[in-house]
Amino acid sequence: QVQLVESGGDLVQPGRSLRLSCGASGFTFGSYGMHWVRQAPGKGLEWVARIGHNGDKQLYGESVRGRFSISRDNSKNTLYLQMNSLRAEDTGVYYCARVISEYGDYEYFDYWGQGTLVTVSS
Amino acid sequence: DIQMTQSPSSLSASVGDRVTITCRASQNIERYLNWYQQKPGKAPKSLIFAASSLQSGVPLRFSASGSGTDFTLTISSLQREDFAIYYCQQSRTSPYTFGQGTTLEI
Repeated sequence: QVQLVESGGDLVQPGRSLRLSCGASGFTFGSYGMHWVRQAPGKGLEWVARIGHNGDKQLYGESVRGRFSISRDNSKNTLYLQMNSLRAEDTGVYYCARVISEYGDYEYFDYWGQGTLVTVSS
Repeated sequence: DIQMTQSPSSLSASVGDRVTITCRASQNIERYLNWYQQKPGKAPKSLIFAASSLQSGVPLRFSASGSGTDFTLTISSLQREDFAIYYCQQSRTSPYTFGQGTTLEI
């Protein structure tokens, strides 16, 4: 069955860097686009970034653009999120999600990981 | 950016009730609208895609409609397991914004 498992979340000081990973199994990873979505404590969902199935089409939310970088290694079935210049407002649970297209170009997130917690604090 | 606004922000209901949640987009998103359910401490779960298509495995008491800027999610007869937070999300264009969520509580 499809599984997405995030890792790498930690307590980190403001201004430092962190890299999250999302290991995928149960499907052909290299055939699907992937996204990161985050959720601050007690808040709603915020879209962070996306990457195309072959590593192209990288897009970012305004709040992370220029600081975060999404990438993937299809040979390792792994998605990454490199987070630099971290701020307190980056604190939250980070989910990776698989995106699927139906009826041509209607995209939605059909599978999500369980999330990994990032805490940015001094 | 496209803003997504849900109403109400919270809703109290009882088992067996019929409830409707509304999502409004700040501009025309055609039918590029998805709905997700999230329970405490869990990842979101896909319910509806392309405005009205039911995700496989989702009970038929869930339905949705709309196009353009106005969308609705309806639960025809609430079950205990339906008490959760519901989010709409537009996939028309980046950034793929979510609504602020609607908490459905007893």
